[in-house]
Amino acid sequence: EADIYQTPRYLVIGTGKKITLECSQTMGHDKMYWYQQDPGMELHLIHYSYGVNSTEKGDLSSESTVSRIRTEHFPLTLESARPSHTSQYLCASRQEIHGTQYFGPGTRLLVL
Amino acid sequence: AQSVTQPDIHITVSEGASLELRCNYSYGATPYLFWYVQSPGQGLQLLLKYFSGDTLVQGIKGFEAEFKRSQSSFNLRKPSVHWSDAAEYFCAVGPEINQAGTALIFGKGTTLSVSS
Repeated sequence: EADIYQTPRYLVIGTGKKITLECSQTMGHDKMYWYQQDPGMELHLIHYSYGVNSTEKGDLSSESTVSRIRTEHFPLTLESARPSHTSQYLCASRQEIHGTQYFGPGTRLLVL
Repeated sequence: AQSVTQPDIHITVSEGASLELRCNYSYGATPYLFWYVQSPGQGLQLLLKYFSGDTLVQGIKGFEAEFKRSQSSFNLRKPSVHWSDAAEYFCAVGPEINQAGTALIFGKGTTLSVSS
């Protein structure tokens, strides 16, 4: 089993609030990713990181931002949550050898 | 362009029957290939992966997949499905590791329902 953690698992919040979704991995992987996934739908890459101090936007435009100050930590922040941000957010990290991606359990966000 | 196609959006299989989920990819070089499973409200769990060598790979939970280069396919199979196998299944293709930051390319997923 991969050691990648996400908190909170579930979050209900009002419009306009600032939120940070946490993601941590203990495998020492340099490459990390955030995906957005609506229920029963495909995954959309919204952010990724090569390593410390590296962040890039993914294929799907997102109003969220990320940071990578430490190898093990890759938090995602929404400065002002809106109902359109309601979704599941999945964090992943990638093994250097063969490139296997390991996923966290996800954060289900509901913005009212 | 690199892509992964899962032709079946939804499949229903009787418990105890065999299963095959299809996956086709478009990729310039020999890819790394993966199958993941996702239960409702959960993250993705790796079922199996192919990097090289034997084209028939075994995974967890009794699943296997076969890489067929001539057909650009990596179909997932299980000889006898259990009700607990009902979930969403994603096929993915991976680029070379030296393409820094490049994530796996995922198909849109196949929903498996198991009937009694």
